[in-house]
Amino acid sequence: EPEVTQTPSHQVTQMGQEVILRCVPISNHLYFYWYRQILGQKVEFLVSFYNNEISEKSEIFDDQFSVERPDGSNFTLKIRSTKLEDSAMYFCASSESPGSGNTIYFGEGSWLTVV
Amino acid sequence: GQNIDQPTEMTATEGAIVQINCTYQTSGFNGLFWYQQHAGEAPTFLSYNVLDGLEEKGRFSSFLSRSKGYSYLLLKELQMKDSASYLCAVRDRGAGSYQLTFGKGTKLSVIP
Repeated sequence: EPEVTQTPSHQVTQMGQEVILRCVPISNHLYFYWYRQILGQKVEFLVSFYNNEISEKSEIFDDQFSVERPDGSNFTLKIRSTKLEDSAMYFCASSESPGSGNTIYFGEGSWLTVV
Repeated sequence: GQNIDQPTEMTATEGAIVQINCTYQTSGFNGLFWYQQHAGEAPTFLSYNVLDGLEEKGRFSSFLSRSKGYSYLLLKELQMKDSASYLCAVRDRGAGSYQLTFGKGTKLSVIP
């Protein structure tokens, strides 16, 4: 069964460093998302992406965050200058289209620890 | 904005039936999803409701009442592997809005 894949599975970084999290969405999907989950808290929406541009973003997705689709398969989340509070599990997700019946499928996540 | 409430924890016995409730308040509504999440893993899709009524999928069923802002997930013939968090998520109807807003999840413990 097709799946969303993410790398790295774990990353430890120093505060202030840049981090890039990578994702390969399901191949026929057109909509891509990043969510995050701080340990013990709920899953939170960060950003959605379609047709090479951001469709919507949450308040969490401030200027230190950016997304990119550098080629036909990868979808990346960059955190420019990490803060301690960025420590979380980051989930990439994708769906065929945004239509009401379309399921959003999640990747296994990237654990980011900022020290 | 949206507000989604579900119980924090539940315990049920192997082989039994458990119902996990979710209530939501939203400015618009464009579907409700249930996901299963084992600790440290990704949410896995279980069910989707956009119209009132019951959707059945094997041992799992999900019900929606839009007028009441209410859904439940029903798990039958519980197995030990069903021990996980169950996340209720709502999609808003706002133009161009496709994000899901998640509840805090219900941690289900299945005991022998």
